[in-house]
Amino acid sequence: DQQVKQNSPSLSVQEGRISILNCDYTNSMFDYFLWYKKYPAEGPTFLISISSIKDKNEDGRFTVFLNKSAKHLSLHIVPSQPGDSAVYFCAASARDTGANSKLTFGKGITLSVRP
Amino acid sequence: NAGVTQTPKFQVLKTGQSMTLQCAQDMNHNSMYWYRQDPGMGLRLIYYSASEGTTDKGEVPNGYNVSRLNKREFSLRLESAAPSQTSVYFCASSRTATGSHQPQHFGDGTRLSIL
Repeated sequence: DQQVKQNSPSLSVQEGRISILNCDYTNSMFDYFLWYKKYPAEGPTFLISISSIKDKNEDGRFTVFLNKSAKHLSLHIVPSQPGDSAVYFCAASARDTGANSKLTFGKGITLSVRP
Repeated sequence: NAGVTQTPKFQVLKTGQSMTLQCAQDMNHNSMYWYRQDPGMGLRLIYYSASEGTTDKGEVPNGYNVSRLNKREFSLRLESAAPSQTSVYFCASSRTATGSHQPQHFGDGTRLSIL
């Protein structure tokens, strides 16, 4: 039962254009969402997060949008740069009484930005 | 500014051999995690330690054991390696465990092959 879904395995965009990476989730208890970026032979790097009390969070070229009713979030990268080419993981966390920093990851999407 | 350090970076084992993967963080984080990443599977949680002195099973704990040696160090042990455990293993840490969400910070991984 995949609780965090990244249904598109890859995305290719032209440099300077917008990249939109999508993520869907099924667990209504998730209240914190993150995006990680991963280069080959490196560990995932935290990119941006959003709490369920918000519907948008922006950090420079990166913006995450959350639609709780649709259980959908998206990462927008504007403008896209060749250095953004990487695998992007969507992750979610549910608050509980235990170690509630546990993350559930999607399978990732490979973004290629063409010069 | 090392962050999360994993050793070794690469290892090849024979079926049935044992091995311990080491992880240390220098960020004074309370929580630590072990994940495995397989092609097309995203990252799956093996074990985690919400705080020094505690450990709990994650999504895929079978065949593994962990030790939270102190606040800095969290090791993962394969007692009798199997080919199905061929994977890339990531260690992560986060500042808090209970009551709030914090992003996890990852090491660069250990690439383990079991023949």
